[in-house]
Amino acid sequence: GDSVTQTEGQVTVSESKSLIINCTYSATSIAYPNLFWYVRYPGEGLQLLLKVITAGQKGSSRGFEATYNKETTSFHLQKASVQESDSAVYYCALSDNSGGSNYKLTFGKGTLLTVTP
Amino acid sequence: NAGVIQTPRHKVTGKGQEATLWCEPISGHSAVFWYRQTIVQGLEFLTYFRNQAPIDDSGMPKERFSAQMPNQSHSTLKIQSTQPQDSAVYLCASSLDSEVFFGKGTRLTVV
Repeated sequence: GDSVTQTEGQVTVSESKSLIINCTYSATSIAYPNLFWYVRYPGEGLQLLLKVITAGQKGSSRGFEATYNKETTSFHLQKASVQESDSAVYYCALSDNSGGSNYKLTFGKGTLLTVTP
Repeated sequence: NAGVIQTPRHKVTGKGQEATLWCEPISGHSAVFWYRQTIVQGLEFLTYFRNQAPIDDSGMPKERFSAQMPNQSHSTLKIQSTQPQDSAVYLCASSLDSEVFFGKGTRLTVV
């Protein structure tokens, strides 16, 4: 089946420093899956941070970026300078877009980002 | 837009009792999903409706779990004879196109 592996556990970064959360995927039944980063801020529901549906393209939102690399099957999340408000749990995910059925997200286990002042 | 609304936010049930979880999707969204989140398994897909019709329930445990969508404004997830291993956060989500919007979840604790 399909799977997503991301940096597990907790990542602690000092404010204004750079961040990378690794994500690799395995899509055995999908040639070119859609790739997503979701985020859950404290007390909030899971929400979409960014998505990329075309291999080779980069998505960006709120200063975060991720590039869809089909050669390395990776979709790492990066930010040049984090802020305390970025503290949250980040999830990498993929879905199947074949036949227009863009559903059944497969998630990684999540990475808790803590940004310290 | 209040987003996807899930009730209750927390539910405690005794082993063997029934639990019903409610979801109100965003108005106008044609797709509704249920996911389950645990520490061990992470976020797992359970089932999916489109225009109220069940499309894919491949993630649902074969016994004791059922989901319905009687109208476009709500869906329910029912767990019969709850067991401690059913303890989890159950997430409902809805979408109109490729973006999926999640509710805040219902934390179910089976004691």
